[in-house]
Amino acid sequence: EVQLAESGGDLVQPGGSLRLSCVGSGFTFSVFWMNWVRQVPGKGLEWVANISPDGSMKRCVDSVRGRCSVSRDNAGNSLFLHLNTLRAEDTAIYYCLAWGTSAYWGQGTLVTVSS
Amino acid sequence: DVVLTQFPLSLPVPLGQPASISCRSSQSLVNGDGGTYLTWHHQRPGQPPRRLIYDVSHRDSGVPDRFSGSGSDSDFTLRISSVEAEDVGVYYCMQFTHWPHTFGQGTNLEIK
Repeated sequence: EVQLAESGGDLVQPGGSLRLSCVGSGFTFSVFWMNWVRQVPGKGLEWVANISPDGSMKRCVDSVRGRCSVSRDNAGNSLFLHLNTLRAEDTAIYYCLAWGTSAYWGQGTLVTVSS
Repeated sequence: DVVLTQFPLSLPVPLGQPASISCRSSQSLVNGDGGTYLTWHHQRPGQPPRRLIYDVSHRDSGVPDRFSGSGSDSDFTLRISSVEAEDVGVYYCMQFTHWPHTFGQGTNLEIK
């Protein structure tokens, strides 16, 4: 069974930082583009970042650029997202998404930025 | 950024009836390699999304054949031939031809 399990979501003060993790199982993690997508509860979906299968290509969207770092560890089937200088508008459910000829979404982890 | 505009935003449909959702892009979604990278996703309440359709018209594994995708360039459609109770939720189109990848606003399908 394919699984993607995110962790690391938390209540964080504005200006703080967070590291999200995602562990995959049941599929060949190392051949998939991996992505982070976020969703404000009750609202739409926003792509945050992605990284190529070998980790050589990585991008963050403009709304988090300069505050975002995406990485992966294929040996551990793991994806990471580091966000710093957090703002209230970063509050969202963060989903891990494996993308290829198949696509797998995780269950999400909630990040709340509030004082 | 590429803007995807979905219509309608709310779609009440009786059980067993067909449904159709439109997705229009602000730019052509034809990639330099000739591919058109438009996908459709379904999100049930309280659940993560699930991809239904990739590359305009290819159904993902396990997706019932009552779902079909069509279109080209910047105009796309998701059709459900006969709506079932499990089809309720929000449907999103999404493009990954251009960076940043973007989603439509979502269409909320409910049973009428």
